[in-house]
Formats: sequence, C-alpha cells, structure tokens
Amino acid sequence: KAGVTQTPRYLIKTRGQQVTLSCSPISGHRSVSWYQQTPGQGLQFLFEYFSETQRNKGNFPGRFSGRQFSNSRSEMNVSTLELGDSALYLCASSLGGTNYEQYFGPGTRLTVT
Amino acid sequence: GESVGLHLPTLSVQEGDNSIINCAYSNSASDYFIWYKQESGKGPQFIIDIRSNMDKRQGQRVTVLLNKTVKHLSLQIAATQPGDSAVYFCAEIVTGFQKLVFGTGTRLLVSP
Repeated sequence: KAGVTQTPRYLIKTRGQQVTLSCSPISGHRSVSWYQQTPGQGLQFLFEYFSETQRNKGNFPGRFSGRQFSNSRSEMNVSTLELGDSALYLCASSLGGTNYEQYFGPGTRLTVT
Repeated sequence: GESVGLHLPTLSVQEGDNSIINCAYSNSASDYFIWYKQESGKGPQFIIDIRSNMDKRQGQRVTVLLNKTVKHLSLQIAATQPGDSAVYFCAEIVTGFQKLVFGTGTRLLVSP
C-alpha cells in the first residue's frame, strides 16, 4: 500500500506571496492532519480534516487554512507569506474514528525569502 | 536534510548496546502515546504506540514503558544498530481529538 505523498517536496516563495501544498493520504484513510516543523518550535499541529470537515485546529493565524476533498486528499494554503513561515510542512493520515495511528509523508520544505 | 532541533538532547551509544530514550508528557488527560523516528530529510516514522490502560508494550527490538503517575514515557531499543541513528519523538493524544502533541525530541547517535 502506498504511503502518504506530498507535493511539491521543495518550494521557494517570496514574502507576501501565497502557497498551496498538497497531500494524498494512505488509501482508506479519512483523517488528514497537518503539522509545521521548525528547529525552534519543533513539531506543531496546524489542523485536522475528516470527511471534508475541519475537526481540530491548532494555534496558528488565519493565514493558514486547509481543505479536504471527497477522495480524502487535502491541501493547505498559506497566504501573505512571512519569513517565519519557512518550515517543513508535514501531512499525516489515519483511519480516523477511534484509530489514532498517524502516518506521515515526507513533507514539503518551504523557504520564504 | 531536516534539522529538527539545533539543541536537541543527544544520546550516544555503541552498536549492540541497549538504548533508552525518555520523554515527559504534558497533559494528564492524554491517553494514547506514539513514538516516532525521524531520519534526516524524511517525515516521522511510526515505531510503536501505547494506550494509557497499559504500562508496557513490546515490539520488534523496541519496548515502550508508560508511567502515568509521573507522566513519563520511555522507549527502549535493544541491540541498537547504526540504522537506528535518528531523532526520536514521543507524541501524546487525548482520544477524541486527532491532534498529536510532540515532545522536543532526542537525537540518537549509534557508532559502530
């Protein structure tokens, strides 16, 4: 079974721009979560989607948003990019429900200049 | 590759030794815990999990111990190999919420 895939793997953007990252979960997984990883803050939860609905949200500004499609694929969007948004963005999928085993993709490395 | 933390605590062991990585978790309501391994340039890889109604769980070469009284988790790796070199994270969840809260991580260095 294929793992979680994320595209693109690397991205360079300029301050003020916006970016969209994509995540395809493991087949059959309906829950998709997004995390930001930085050297200073570690791994931090952004949000979680299940059946196209955002169920949980972390403490990030409204510039960070996401959505999930009917096939469970998910996208996250960051608008008005800031230098501090440079990070590894990780997507994780799980079956959802009472199953909490989350499996991660390789991440998208975003650099904001 | 990803530098997951410039000042991570580091555990250095020799190949063949047993390794113990510790983690203090923050939320007494957390009732499910996962250990992840992250190699440079990769996403975290699921190693083993444990629910709060257990105090020990064993996998292949790994054992997780949970002490709810002091909110402490440990990951024991038997016969550590150079391929075990990575950063290890514990993560906690309050069931009902698909939101992992991660610890700061420990870098494990295994020398031949």
